[in-house]
Order: sequence, then C-alpha cells, then structure tokens
Amino acid sequence: AQSVSQHNHHVILSEAASLELGCNYSYGGTVNLFWYVQYPGQHLQLLLKYFSGDPLVKGIKGFEAEFIKSKFSFNLRKPSVQWSDTAEYFCAERRPDKLIFGTGTRLQVFP
Amino acid sequence: AAGVIQSPRHLIKEKRETATLKCYPIPRHDTVYWYQQGPGQDPQFLISFYEKMQSDKGSIPDRFSAQQFSDYHSELNMSSLELGDSALYFCASSSGGTGIRPTYEQYFGPGTRLTVT
Repeated sequence: AQSVSQHNHHVILSEAASLELGCNYSYGGTVNLFWYVQYPGQHLQLLLKYFSGDPLVKGIKGFEAEFIKSKFSFNLRKPSVQWSDTAEYFCAERRPDKLIFGTGTRLQVFP
Repeated sequence: AAGVIQSPRHLIKEKRETATLKCYPIPRHDTVYWYQQGPGQDPQFLISFYEKMQSDKGSIPDRFSAQQFSDYHSELNMSSLELGDSALYFCASSSGGTGIRPTYEQYFGPGTRLTVT
C-alpha cells in the first residue's frame, strides 16, 4: 500500500486561484517530509521540506506547506498560482535510506 | 553550483540487450540513490549506496545491479532488457549518510531516459 497518499491526481486552475494539494503520510517514526516539483520533461526539484519545529514551512516560488501531526498531513499551498506553476507535484517522506513518493498531482494552470 | 550529472541522457536499446547508466554526485556527497520513473508514474526507489556500500534496496529486479566507486560515482547495470524497463532513471545524491538532520536533502539529476524497443 502507498505510504504517501496524494488524493488530488489532477487539478485544473485559472491563474490567481489559490492552490492546496493534499498529502498524507503514514510513517510513525521521525518525520522528514518533502514536496518536489517536476516541470514537463525536467528532473525533480525541491520546493520545501519539513524536519521539525515550526509546522508551517515556506519554500521557493511562493509555496508553503503545513505539517499537521494529528492528521498525518503535509498539504502544499500557494495563495495565487501562475501559468508557470503547471507541473507535476510529488509529496515524499524519507525512510532513512530512500524517499517514498506519493503518486503525484498534475497541476494545470490556465491563463 | 555543481549538480548531479547523469549520462547518457537518452538511451535506446533493444530487448535482451544490456545498458549501463552513470551517475556523478555533487562533490563531497557520499550517498547515491537510484530511482525509476515509468510513464505517468511516481519515482520508485531502486537502490542506494553510502560510502561505496549498499545501504538500502528497493524494487530493483535481479537483472539490475549497481555499485558506487571510490570516486563516489555510481553505475546502474541493466541486463536482459525488457520493454517494461523503458523509463526515466533518476540518480540523486546527498551528504552525511542517513542521519536524521534538518539539512538533509536529496538532489536529483536530470535523469536518463531509457527506451527499450
């Protein structure tokens, strides 16, 4: 069973709309959580990561994520998306020697 | 800043042939990871090495093998290729082994797109 769940498989938004992508993890140990973005034809790039401390994590390109331990969630948010945010977004958790990825969410932003 | 280098970027092979993918980690990174991403799929962990020793193994077929060399570069060897092996193969690197720390991050290379015909 997928230990990292992304429930939104495909999201379509207009520019300036707000974005929230869901991510649930299941690992009960020390949590390291990541959001990666993959633009068409490109490699994975780190948006942000959570290790400990402030549960609200700010990343690059205006993205942020909130770690809610009680809900095993690490949702990605952006208040106003741009056309250039069109990409695949992957949530991942670290299991000491590897990253376990969610199935990804394809975001399409229309002008 | 130097990034993870993978070669070749594209590779076309026929069924039953062999392929070797190379990964050059970021300088001073001691840990290398290999992932396979099929079309429309999420990256799946194959194998990792820390200080030239295998540290974890995922869903890697027995037909595949990998190693990390003294200069920390890694090679993924794939034999008896099958059509289903067509995928994007990513290499990632990190430093400091597997210790839990806030600076931990895996840096991904551009990938090698393998097409088996």
